[in-house]
Amino acid sequence: QVQLQESGPGLVKPSETLSLTCAVSGYSISSGYYWGWIRQPPGKGLEWIGSIYHSGSTYYNPSLKSRVTISVDTSKNQFSLKLSSVTAADTAVYYCARHVSYQLLLYYFDYWGQGTLVTVSS
Amino acid sequence: EIVMTQSPATLSVSPGERATLSCRASQSVSSNLAWYQQKPGQAPRLLIYGASTRATGIPARFSGSGSGTEFTLTISSLQSEDFAVYYCQQYNNWPFFGQGTRLEIK
Repeated sequence: QVQLQESGPGLVKPSETLSLTCAVSGYSISSGYYWGWIRQPPGKGLEWIGSIYHSGSTYYNPSLKSRVTISVDTSKNQFSLKLSSVTAADTAVYYCARHVSYQLLLYYFDYWGQGTLVTVSS
Repeated sequence: EIVMTQSPATLSVSPGERATLSCRASQSVSSNLAWYQQKPGQAPRLLIYGASTRATGIPARFSGSGSGTEFTLTISSLQSEDFAVYYCQQYNNWPFFGQGTRLEIK
């Protein structure tokens, strides 16, 4: 059974960088699939942030691309998110998920982590 | 950018009855559409992909239909555990979500 678990600070100051890690168990990242980050502001809908392949190939949401970096560590079977210059608008539950893809096209998310709330506040 | 619009925002249905949720795309997404269910405090769960294929372990009372710009998720006989928020997501280009439909008990 594929399992994902997010970890990282729950509170980040405005203008700083949000950093989260997603540990994957039950499946080797190196075996395939893209691996993605999705966020959900309190009481609102879902927003895809970006996704990464084990080779390091990335896709980012154009609206966030200038502030997002996603990286992968296959030796630890985990991937990470960095979001720079955060504001209160970046307060959200951040989910990591396995991103089904085919021929370099990103499809849907079939396994999700439980999510972690990150609050941006001084 | 393809915009996904879900309707209604809230749907009130009695247990045992049928629920029909709609998702419209601002331009054709072919059959590249997924549906998710999200309960309070939980991560979304994949229900349907390819517009009509149920994901592993999803009960047969959930069905998806449509192609192009108009899609429907039907729950044939609502169970208590089905009351939740439902999201559609297109993946014809970038993976963008609709704003959700809240399915509540009437």
